[in-house]
Amino acid sequence: DAEITQSPRHKITETGRQVTLACHQTWNHNNMFWYRQDLGHGLRLIHYSYGVQDTNKGEVSDGYSVSRSNTEDLPLTLESAASSQTSVYFCASSDRGQETQYFGPGTRLLVL
Amino acid sequence: GNSVTQMEGPVTLSEEAFLTINCTYTATGYPSLFWYVQYPGEGLQLLLKATKADDKGSNKGFEATYRKETTSFHLEKGSVQVSDSAVYFCALNHFGNEKLTFGTGTRLTIIP
Repeated sequence: DAEITQSPRHKITETGRQVTLACHQTWNHNNMFWYRQDLGHGLRLIHYSYGVQDTNKGEVSDGYSVSRSNTEDLPLTLESAASSQTSVYFCASSDRGQETQYFGPGTRLLVL
Repeated sequence: GNSVTQMEGPVTLSEEAFLTINCTYTATGYPSLFWYVQYPGEGLQLLLKATKADDKGSNKGFEATYRKETTSFHLEKGSVQVSDSAVYFCALNHFGNEKLTFGTGTRLTIIP
Protein backbone atom coordinates (compact mmCIF):
# COMPACT_ATOMS: atom_id res chain seq x y z
CA ASP A 1 0.00 0.00 0.00
CA ALA A 2 1.11 3.55 -0.71
CA GLU A 3 2.14 5.52 2.32
CA ILE A 4 4.00 8.54 3.64
CA THR A 5 6.71 8.02 6.24
CA GLN A 6 8.78 10.35 8.38
CA SER A 7 12.05 9.78 10.16
CA PRO A 8 13.14 10.00 12.82
CA ARG A 9 9.95 9.86 14.87
CA HIS A 10 11.67 11.50 17.82
CA LYS A 11 14.78 13.68 17.89
CA ILE A 12 16.64 15.57 20.58
CA THR A 13 19.26 18.05 19.48
CA GLU A 14 21.17 21.04 20.79
CA THR A 15 20.86 24.69 19.92
CA GLY A 16 22.92 25.62 16.88
CA ARG A 17 23.11 22.16 15.34
CA GLN A 18 21.89 21.40 11.85
CA VAL A 19 19.02 18.91 11.77
CA THR A 20 17.36 17.19 8.82
CA LEU A 21 13.95 15.55 9.02
CA ALA A 22 13.09 13.06 6.31
CA CYS A 23 9.79 12.65 4.50
CA HIS A 24 9.18 9.90 1.95
CA GLN A 25 5.96 9.15 0.08
CA THR A 26 5.10 6.30 -2.24
CA TRP A 27 1.86 7.82 -3.54
CA ASN A 28 3.74 9.37 -6.48
CA HIS A 29 2.18 12.69 -5.54
CA ASN A 30 3.43 15.91 -7.08
CA ASN A 31 2.69 18.11 -4.07
CA MET A 32 4.46 17.84 -0.73
CA PHE A 33 4.13 20.02 2.38
CA TRP A 34 5.82 20.54 5.73
CA TYR A 35 3.88 21.79 8.75
CA ARG A 36 4.70 22.38 12.37
CA GLN A 37 2.11 21.80 15.07
CA ASP A 38 2.17 23.89 18.24
CA LEU A 39 -0.39 24.27 20.98
CA GLY A 40 -2.63 27.23 20.30
CA HIS A 41 -1.48 27.56 16.69
CA GLY A 42 -2.75 24.43 15.03
CA LEU A 43 -0.74 23.49 11.96
CA ARG A 44 1.32 26.14 10.22
CA LEU A 45 2.85 25.70 6.79
CA ILE A 46 6.66 25.85 6.65
CA HIS A 47 7.53 24.98 3.03
CA TYR A 48 5.86 23.26 0.14
CA SER A 49 6.69 21.86 -3.26
CA TYR A 50 4.60 21.30 -6.36
CA GLY A 51 7.14 19.08 -8.08
CA VAL A 52 10.79 18.20 -8.59
CA GLN A 53 13.06 21.24 -8.28
CA ASP A 54 10.13 23.38 -7.10
CA THR A 55 10.09 24.76 -3.54
CA ASN A 56 8.11 27.57 -1.94
CA LYS A 57 8.05 29.32 1.42
CA GLY A 58 5.09 29.00 3.72
CA GLU A 59 4.03 31.27 6.55
CA VAL A 60 6.76 30.21 9.03
CA SER A 61 9.77 29.44 6.81
CA ASP A 62 12.50 31.39 8.64
CA GLY A 63 15.25 29.04 9.80
CA TYR A 64 14.09 26.15 7.61
CA SER A 65 14.95 24.96 4.11
CA VAL A 66 13.84 22.17 1.78
CA SER A 67 14.97 20.67 -1.48
CA ARG A 68 13.11 18.44 -3.93
CA SER A 69 15.42 16.29 -6.04
CA ASN A 70 12.89 13.53 -6.74
CA THR A 71 9.15 12.95 -6.50
CA GLU A 72 9.25 10.79 -3.37
CA ASP A 73 11.27 12.88 -0.91
CA LEU A 74 11.13 16.35 0.65
CA PRO A 75 13.67 16.62 3.47
CA LEU A 76 13.31 19.54 5.89
CA THR A 77 16.53 21.09 7.22
CA LEU A 78 16.89 23.30 10.25
CA GLU A 79 20.06 25.21 9.47
CA SER A 80 20.86 26.14 13.07
CA ALA A 81 18.34 24.72 15.50
CA ALA A 82 16.75 27.08 18.02
CA SER A 83 14.64 26.31 21.08
CA SER A 84 11.71 28.01 19.35
CA GLN A 85 11.80 25.19 16.80
CA THR A 86 10.85 22.59 19.39
CA SER A 87 7.65 21.26 17.89
CA VAL A 88 5.95 18.36 16.18
CA TYR A 89 6.58 18.34 12.43
CA PHE A 90 4.23 16.81 9.89
CA CYS A 91 4.83 16.08 6.26
CA ALA A 92 1.92 15.74 3.85
CA SER A 93 1.39 15.06 0.17
CA SER A 94 -1.36 15.45 -2.38
CA ASP A 95 -1.83 14.72 -6.04
CA ARG A 96 -1.77 17.54 -8.57
CA GLY A 97 -5.14 19.24 -8.73
CA GLN A 98 -6.43 17.35 -5.70
CA GLU A 99 -7.22 19.13 -2.47
CA THR A 100 -7.02 16.23 -0.03
CA GLN A 101 -3.65 15.94 1.71
CA TYR A 102 -2.28 12.73 3.22
CA PHE A 103 -0.22 13.12 6.36
CA GLY A 104 2.75 11.28 7.79
CA PRO A 105 2.91 10.19 11.45
CA GLY A 106 4.97 13.20 12.55
CA THR A 107 8.40 13.86 14.05
CA ARG A 108 8.66 15.20 17.57
CA LEU A 109 11.71 17.48 17.81
CA LEU A 110 13.16 18.83 21.04
CA VAL A 111 15.86 21.51 20.84
CA LEU A 112 17.78 21.97 24.08
CA GLY B 1 -5.90 36.46 3.76
CA ASN B 2 -7.55 33.16 4.49
CA SER B 3 -8.20 32.15 8.07
CA VAL B 4 -10.10 29.55 10.06
CA THR B 5 -11.48 30.04 13.56
CA GLN B 6 -12.66 27.05 15.54
CA MET B 7 -13.95 26.33 18.98
CA GLU B 8 -11.10 26.37 21.46
CA GLY B 9 -11.77 23.40 23.65
CA PRO B 10 -10.88 21.13 25.21
CA VAL B 11 -14.30 19.56 24.98
CA THR B 12 -15.32 16.72 27.31
CA LEU B 13 -18.53 14.81 26.73
CA SER B 14 -20.14 11.65 27.99
CA GLU B 15 -20.59 8.72 25.64
CA GLU B 16 -23.72 9.00 23.46
CA ALA B 17 -23.89 12.79 23.86
CA PHE B 18 -24.47 15.12 20.92
CA LEU B 19 -21.38 16.86 19.60
CA THR B 20 -20.95 20.21 17.91
CA ILE B 21 -17.58 21.77 17.17
CA ASN B 22 -17.88 25.22 15.65
CA CYS B 23 -15.81 26.41 12.71
CA THR B 24 -16.00 29.69 10.82
CA TYR B 25 -13.78 30.91 8.05
CA THR B 26 -12.63 34.02 6.23
CA ALA B 27 -11.71 33.70 2.58
CA THR B 28 -12.19 35.36 -0.75
CA GLY B 29 -14.16 33.42 -3.28
CA TYR B 30 -15.43 29.93 -2.56
CA PRO B 31 -12.96 27.71 -0.76
CA SER B 32 -13.31 24.00 -0.14
CA LEU B 33 -13.75 23.12 3.52
CA PHE B 34 -12.40 20.16 5.45
CA TRP B 35 -12.42 18.47 8.81
CA TYR B 36 -9.33 16.47 9.69
CA VAL B 37 -8.97 14.25 12.75
CA GLN B 38 -5.80 13.40 14.66
CA TYR B 39 -5.93 10.35 16.92
CA PRO B 40 -3.37 10.14 19.74
CA GLY B 41 0.17 9.62 18.44
CA GLU B 42 -0.84 9.74 14.79
CA GLY B 43 -0.85 12.13 11.86
CA LEU B 44 -3.93 13.87 10.57
CA GLN B 45 -6.43 12.09 8.40
CA LEU B 46 -9.30 13.48 6.40
CA LEU B 47 -12.65 13.04 8.11
CA LEU B 48 -14.94 14.82 5.63
CA LYS B 49 -15.04 17.67 3.19
CA ALA B 50 -17.40 19.91 1.20
CA THR B 51 -16.51 21.77 -1.95
CA LYS B 52 -19.41 24.18 -2.50
CA ALA B 53 -22.13 26.02 -0.65
CA ASP B 54 -24.88 23.86 0.90
CA ASP B 55 -22.84 20.68 0.40
CA LYS B 56 -22.90 18.29 3.33
CA GLY B 57 -19.85 16.19 4.05
CA SER B 58 -20.31 13.05 6.11
CA ASN B 59 -18.24 10.14 7.39
CA LYS B 60 -18.26 7.80 10.40
CA GLY B 61 -21.46 9.42 11.72
CA PHE B 62 -19.98 12.93 11.57
CA GLU B 63 -21.55 15.63 9.39
CA ALA B 64 -20.79 19.21 8.44
CA THR B 65 -22.66 21.54 6.10
CA TYR B 66 -21.00 24.31 4.08
CA ARG B 67 -22.91 27.47 5.01
CA LYS B 68 -21.85 30.34 2.80
CA GLU B 69 -24.25 32.85 4.39
CA THR B 70 -22.68 32.36 7.82
CA THR B 71 -19.20 31.32 6.55
CA SER B 72 -19.38 28.26 8.77
CA PHE B 73 -18.67 24.54 8.63
CA HIS B 74 -19.66 23.18 12.04
CA LEU B 75 -18.92 19.53 12.82
CA GLU B 76 -21.72 17.46 14.37
CA LYS B 77 -22.29 13.93 15.54
CA GLY B 78 -25.47 12.64 17.09
CA SER B 79 -23.99 10.10 19.50
CA VAL B 80 -20.28 10.14 20.30
CA GLN B 81 -18.20 7.15 21.33
CA VAL B 82 -15.05 6.82 23.39
CA SER B 83 -13.19 6.02 20.17
CA ASP B 84 -14.02 9.54 18.88
CA SER B 85 -11.59 11.05 21.38
CA ALA B 86 -9.11 12.95 19.23
CA VAL B 87 -8.11 16.42 18.07
CA TYR B 88 -10.29 17.84 15.29
CA PHE B 89 -9.04 20.43 12.82
CA CYS B 90 -11.11 22.57 10.52
CA ALA B 91 -9.33 23.67 7.34
CA LEU B 92 -9.91 25.42 4.06
CA ASN B 93 -8.34 25.23 0.64
CA HIS B 94 -8.52 28.18 -1.65
CA PHE B 95 -9.15 27.15 -5.21
CA GLY B 96 -6.05 26.96 -7.33
CA ASN B 97 -3.19 26.84 -4.87
CA GLU B 98 -3.66 23.41 -3.28
CA LYS B 99 -2.55 24.67 0.15
CA LEU B 100 -4.53 24.20 3.35
CA THR B 101 -5.13 26.76 6.08
CA PHE B 102 -5.91 25.13 9.43
CA GLY B 103 -7.71 26.20 12.56
CA THR B 104 -6.04 25.72 15.93
CA GLY B 105 -7.68 22.37 16.62
CA THR B 106 -10.20 21.20 19.23
CA ARG B 107 -9.33 18.38 21.59
CA LEU B 108 -12.31 16.13 22.24
CA THR B 109 -12.44 13.65 25.11
CA ILE B 110 -15.32 11.23 25.49
CA ILE B 111 -15.80 9.62 28.88
CA PRO B 112 -17.66 6.32 29.31
